[in-house]
Amino acid sequence: NAGVMQNPRHLVRRRGQEARLRCSPMKGHSHVYWYRQLPEEGLKFMVYLQKENIIDESGMPKERFSAEFPKEGPSILRIQQVVRGDSAAYFCASSPSVRTGHTEAFFGQGTRLTVV
Amino acid sequence: AQSVTQLGSHVSVSEGALVLLRCNYSSSVPPYLFWYVQYPNQGLQLLLKYTTGATLVKGINGFEAEFKKSETSFHLTKPSAHMSDAAEYFCAVSDDFGNEKLTFGTGTRLTIIP
Repeated sequence: NAGVMQNPRHLVRRRGQEARLRCSPMKGHSHVYWYRQLPEEGLKFMVYLQKENIIDESGMPKERFSAEFPKEGPSILRIQQVVRGDSAAYFCASSPSVRTGHTEAFFGQGTRLTVV
Repeated sequence: AQSVTQLGSHVSVSEGALVLLRCNYSSSVPPYLFWYVQYPNQGLQLLLKYTTGATLVKGINGFEAEFKKSETSFHLTKPSAHMSDAAEYFCAVSDDFGNEKLTFGTGTRLTIIP
């Protein structure tokens, strides 16, 4: 799972600023999932993307959060006007595009966002 | 809707003792079940998974889990704990063949007593 690259590993933002989190999936993977882990909680699904498409955003907050996965480049999770409640670890996972059976998602090491 | 319940947010066992981490799920369709381990400030690593077939699943680092449909359980065990097993463990479920959108439990922190 070291192949899923997230950056930055740590991000500090003041309230009201924007946070951009990047995720480069493993080579050959075109499915990306974003999860959020609040302190002392499990991971919560946020959004599922394929190249240039949002497939499922049922876990995304309605405001201030957006995600994209362009044809070229990493997937971006963008949080506008951050608040202290956004402080969390954000994990990206990727999976292959060829479906010969149920596969597994490979997780990155996460971005730890702290809002001060 | 699917959900996962992990009983015991903190479990402590002595080195060499049996490890048992409990996971119960609810799903309206046959589930796919997973156990992940997370070391401090790290991402998640897959320990094992159940999709179809044999209900006793063996994973990495000596862990195994048994899918019991009648009990809607997928408990994780290891016969003999090692200090390096200290970590956070997450049970997860997926009910959609073809994507890896997971619903996670709240996790169990495993402490190993020397």
